[in-house]
Amino acid sequence: GENVEQHPSTLSVQEGDSAVIKCTYSDSASNYFPWYKQELGKRPQLIIDIRSNVGEKKDQRIAVTLNKTAKHFSLHITETQPEDSAVYFCAASYNDMRFGAGTRLTVKP
Amino acid sequence: DVKVTQSSRYLVKRTGEKVFLECVQDMDHENMFWYRQDPGLGLRLIYFSYDVKMKEKGDIPEGYSVSREKKERFSLILESASTNQTSMYLCASSLGTSVTDTQYFGPGTRLTVL
Repeated sequence: GENVEQHPSTLSVQEGDSAVIKCTYSDSASNYFPWYKQELGKRPQLIIDIRSNVGEKKDQRIAVTLNKTAKHFSLHITETQPEDSAVYFCAASYNDMRFGAGTRLTVKP
Repeated sequence: DVKVTQSSRYLVKRTGEKVFLECVQDMDHENMFWYRQDPGLGLRLIYFSYDVKMKEKGDIPEGYSVSREKKERFSLILESASTNQTSMYLCASSLGTSVTDTQYFGPGTRLTVL
């Protein structure tokens, strides 16, 4: 089955800096890669996703890149703000969805 | 707007008790999922259902069972709760029959087994 690894487990940046979170997956058949943001005490919410026929997708300050050959994908947040502080989860799916262990992002004002 | 609700935010039970966690979605979604979330382990799939009365095991089904008698409701059952089942339980639903559909999560139930 699919195995998803996510790095780093914690990330601390200054407000205004960029943050990058990376995930690798094992099943080359995986074709859907969502990213979820979970604020403290709240439910995970989808922030961006990418499908295997696309290499990059951007939505304002958030972007995701996908390298199918290397089987990794990354979340990029530019101009970080304190409200970006949360736990971020990546996932990969083909027959079923597997989640990474999460990255706790802290943005210091 | 998709709404996924769970019956309790916090639950405290004793070892050996039978525990029911309920999840309801109001968007006529085909798929429903139960995960547990533990620090450092992310979200792990317990069971999922693609249709009424249908269920499939996820990665960690041991000690759990599920029931889906109606399309909008998916219940997770701990037949005999144990302390290692203390965790955050998240329910999710998605629209169609493909696992590549976006999943929408409920608020979670934090279960403590004493």
